[in-house]
Amino acid sequence: DQQVKQNSPSLSVQEGRISILNCDYTNSMFDYFLWYKKYPAEGPTFLISISSIKDKNEDGRFTVFLNKSAKHLSLHIVPSQPGDSAVYFCAATDMNYGGSQGNLIFGKGTKLSVKP
Amino acid sequence: DSGVTQTPKHLITATGQRVTLRCSPRSGDLSVYWYQQSLDQGLQFLIQYYNGEERAKGNILERFSAQQFPDLHSELNLSSLELGDSALYFCASRAGGPDNEQFFGPGTRLTVL
Repeated sequence: DQQVKQNSPSLSVQEGRISILNCDYTNSMFDYFLWYKKYPAEGPTFLISISSIKDKNEDGRFTVFLNKSAKHLSLHIVPSQPGDSAVYFCAATDMNYGGSQGNLIFGKGTKLSVKP
Repeated sequence: DSGVTQTPKHLITATGQRVTLRCSPRSGDLSVYWYQQSLDQGLQFLIQYYNGEERAKGNILERFSAQQFPDLHSELNLSSLELGDSALYFCASRAGGPDNEQFFGPGTRLTVL
């Protein structure tokens, strides 16, 4: 049973346009969400996170939106650049697990291709 | 460079064998996490250690075990290997506190023939 779902395995956008990557979750105990970017032959790199007490977090070209009622979050990249081409993983955790950040539950990832 | 190191980078072995993967967390990080990424799968959480003690377990097989040593490095032991164990194994570390993200190492690619 997948608790974190990324239903689009791939996404292709033109350079300069907006990239929107989506993620759905089923576990209502999740209260902290993260996006990681992964290039081939490298480990995942943290991108941005959001706590469930917020509905938006912004960091430069990256914005994450959280809709708790829909159990949905999205990552917006504006403007998209060719260097953003990578696999993006959505992850969730229950911050109250064991009194600290628990393990991360990952989606299967979305491969973003930004074309020049 | 995340500051997390993993060795070896690649490992090729045969079914039935036993291997040990090693992870050195970022300096000062007390928590170590192990994840498995199989073909076409997301990262699956295996196990977490905090300051030498097991903190959480995920979908880790009984053939797999891990430990964290006093110097905080960790080892993941995989035994009686099967073809299906071929995967990327990532280690991540985290400093502590509620909001700190996990920093991932470059991974060990295990191939079981």
